[in-house]
Amino acid sequence: DQQVKQNSPSLSVQEGRISILNCDYTNSMFDYFLWYKKYPAEGPTFLISISSIKDKNEDGRFTVFLNKSAKHLSLHIVPSQPGDSAVYFCAAEYGNKLVFGAGTILRVKS
Amino acid sequence: GAVVSQHPSRVICKSGTSVKIECRSLDFQATTMFWYRQFPKQSLMLMATSNEGSKATYEQGVEKDKFLINHASLTLSTLTVTSAHPEDSSFYICSARDRAGPLHFGNGTRLTVT
Repeated sequence: DQQVKQNSPSLSVQEGRISILNCDYTNSMFDYFLWYKKYPAEGPTFLISISSIKDKNEDGRFTVFLNKSAKHLSLHIVPSQPGDSAVYFCAAEYGNKLVFGAGTILRVKS
Repeated sequence: GAVVSQHPSRVICKSGTSVKIECRSLDFQATTMFWYRQFPKQSLMLMATSNEGSKATYEQGVEKDKFLINHASLTLSTLTVTSAHPEDSSFYICSARDRAGPLHFGNGTRLTVT
């Protein structure tokens, strides 16, 4: 049972444009959502998070949007840079447990 | 930011042997650490929650006798893969939380069992 879904396995974006990564979840008990970035053979690096009581959180080039009614969140990166190329994992938390999506490979072309 | 160190980064072992992976929180104390496993092109799956001074809590389907977890101090948790088999080959990642912040991850350990 996949509680957190990232339906796009990959995304390709031109440098300078916006990257939008999407994530859907099924468990309404999740109260905290996070995005992690991961390079091959490394552990995930925390990027940005949002509490379920908010609908938007911004940190520099990264903005996370949460639509609770749709059980959907998205990560916007603008402007995208080649160094942003990595795998992005969406994660949702309930209690002390973190559930990850399958990840989306982002490629930013220069 | 909080740093989690994991060692070794890569290990190759023969079937039947045991392998120990260490996870340390470098600049904070972690009463709880988490062990994840990632199969190729798949998500990170939580294996177990490591609790300092008490037994680990294992997720459904994870054999506790095969994956021994010891959380001996507030900065160290170890995962021992006992009697390793080729199907145990995977990428193992630990994580810890500094107080109420997000989980921070180690760099992972690539285990190959031959």
